[in-house]
Amino acid sequence: QKEVEQNSGPLSVPEGAIASLNCTYSDRGSQSFFWYRQYSGKSPELIMFIYSNGDKEDGRFTAQLNKASQYVSLLIRDSQPSDSATYLCAVGGSNYKLTFGKGTLLTVNP
Amino acid sequence: DAGVTQSPTHLIKTRGQQVTLRCSPKSGHDTVSWYQQALGQGPQFIFQYYEEEERQRGNFPDRFSGHQFPNYSSELNVNALLLGDSALYLCASSRPGSKGETQYFGPGTRLLVL
Repeated sequence: QKEVEQNSGPLSVPEGAIASLNCTYSDRGSQSFFWYRQYSGKSPELIMFIYSNGDKEDGRFTAQLNKASQYVSLLIRDSQPSDSATYLCAVGGSNYKLTFGKGTLLTVNP
Repeated sequence: DAGVTQSPTHLIKTRGQQVTLRCSPKSGHDTVSWYQQALGQGPQFIFQYYEEEERQRGNFPDRFSGHQFPNYSSELNVNALLLGDSALYLCASSRPGSKGETQYFGPGTRLLVL
């Protein structure tokens, strides 16, 4: 059983649309949840973290967490071509490591 | 505020050789984690160092070893390189604290084993 699973991509959305990225995790002891953005050939860049159930908004980004369903998502509003990247979901908390999904490639078309 | 730095940026080695990668954490951070990212995959946890000791280890063989220095910088050593060790090696730093602390990544070292 995969520990962190992300919706299979690639995901393509038009400029200005909402992009929705999803992630499920298996460890019920998980305490912290992260979304990283990774441009091709670059390292992961933290864009959001969330610890509590509910929504957390930061600019155009909203992270949503549902611990009962073991589900975390990232919404990107008013998507821009510069948002085109691989989005990595990472889960931490029952130990010291972060466990990552394989990532979802997002393409925003002008 | 200096972020996480890593050196070298790229490295080419042949099978059987040994390699050492280096990392300096973000200012104010004293915990360093190492990850391996193969092409098309998410990063895989190798180990974490805190107070100059290995605190946790992922599912990597003993060929992978590390060290943390008193100034919190860290090294990752890989012995007897295999073709499958070709990957992006990422260092992440974090503050001390509870499990699940936010980790910030350096630019990575891209290793190619021929």
